[in-house]
Amino acid sequence: DGGITQSPKYLFRKEGQNVTLSCEQNLNHDAMYWYRQDPGQGLRLIYYSQIVNDFQKGDIAEGYSVSREKKESFPLTVTSAQKNPTAFYLCASSTSSGGMDQPQHFGDGTRLSIL
Amino acid sequence: GENVEQHPSTLSVQEGDSAVIKCTYSDSASNYFPWYKQELGKRPQLIIDIRSNVGEKKDQRIAVTLNKTAKHFSLHITETQPEDSAVYFCAASQLAGGFKTIFGAGTRLFVKA
Repeated sequence: DGGITQSPKYLFRKEGQNVTLSCEQNLNHDAMYWYRQDPGQGLRLIYYSQIVNDFQKGDIAEGYSVSREKKESFPLTVTSAQKNPTAFYLCASSTSSGGMDQPQHFGDGTRLSIL
Repeated sequence: GENVEQHPSTLSVQEGDSAVIKCTYSDSASNYFPWYKQELGKRPQLIIDIRSNVGEKKDQRIAVTLNKTAKHFSLHITETQPEDSAVYFCAASQLAGGFKTIFGAGTRLFVKA
């Protein structure tokens, strides 16, 4: 069954600690994305990647880092520089078909909290 | 910069009534407009989408209309049911923009039984 898997579902971060959120997809999609969602708010783009070994900053990249070493994987690291990391993090992927955009497919999300 | 505005932020309707959510976009090159539904604590899921070469699309109780001249598109839900209660997001994208999609801020829909 194809899809996007995010882990863990819940994550707690201590002061000064870096944490990494996992995102894996078996949809053979080229593009992957990370969004942050705060309570009652929309989706804000952190980073996105169109192809392996390449990624671009989104609107709120400060305090976050990513890598794209494999097509299937796009892990997000929340660094200690991110002073307000408590949020719901969503990973998504998409592809183009026939030269046209296709919808994004989302994972189930990771809820990150500060201890 | 690129922007998508979505209204209203909250919408409350009686079961059986219709609900309309409106979005405007700023980038005239946008050519793909998906709508996502997100239930509490769950992932957003695509419910309908429309491309710029089409003015209207319908799927059972859900329809989307697009006015390219006004850079405006809307979601229409008829005969609303309690299970329609969720947050709805509109979005705009264009492939030439490098897969980047701009989302609206969301509309929280309450359907009262």
